[in-house]
Amino acid sequence: AQKVTQAQTEISVVEKEDVTLDCVYETRDTTYYLFWYKQPPSGELVFLIRRNSFDEQNEISGRYSWNFQKSTSSFNFTITASQVVDSAVYFCALSEAWNNDMRFGAGTRLTVKP
Amino acid sequence: NAGVTQTPKFQVLKTGQSMTLQCAQDMNHEYMSWYRQDPGMGLRLIHYSVGAGITDQGEVPNGYNVSRSTTEDFPLRLLSAAPSQTSVYFCASSYSEAGQPSGEQYFGPGTRLTVT
Repeated sequence: AQKVTQAQTEISVVEKEDVTLDCVYETRDTTYYLFWYKQPPSGELVFLIRRNSFDEQNEISGRYSWNFQKSTSSFNFTITASQVVDSAVYFCALSEAWNNDMRFGAGTRLTVKP
Repeated sequence: NAGVTQTPKFQVLKTGQSMTLQCAQDMNHEYMSWYRQDPGMGLRLIHYSVGAGITDQGEVPNGYNVSRSTTEDFPLRLLSAAPSQTSVYFCASSYSEAGQPSGEQYFGPGTRLTVT
């Protein structure tokens, strides 16, 4: 079965610092999707990005960027010039293409201090 | 569109009681899932459905039942509540692409359940 590991349990930074959240995954499938979700203190889950296994291009969206490397089975997430509003728990997740079984990492709690 | 809705928002049960958590979506998504979220463990899949009348077990199905009689609704039943089922429960729906799950989950707001 697939597995997602987020080794960083908690990260604390000062506003305007850059921060990278690590995600390592395991799967036997060649076709799969990787995701990042944000869970702010209010508790809802906010979709950030989906990447399929055939697209290794890095993506940038404003202050957010994602680095997908199949060679190391990693899908890392970087926030540039962090802000207090970025404080949240961030989850990495993996879904194999042939089913709807999505596996989440344990999450990384990011605290951005003013 | 309301998206994915869940009721109730909060619930307290005594050990041994049963109850149903409701979930509905208005996006005509084929796939629906139930997750539980526990501290330090991320979200874990309980059951999922790939269409009306079809359900399957996820990672942690014991103690829970589901059914899917319509595309819109996917209730989760706790048969005999136990303190280990204290958790936050999220329902999600997702659409298909080219006949396969897209994997992109749209989540409801969650139900916080406490079993005493």
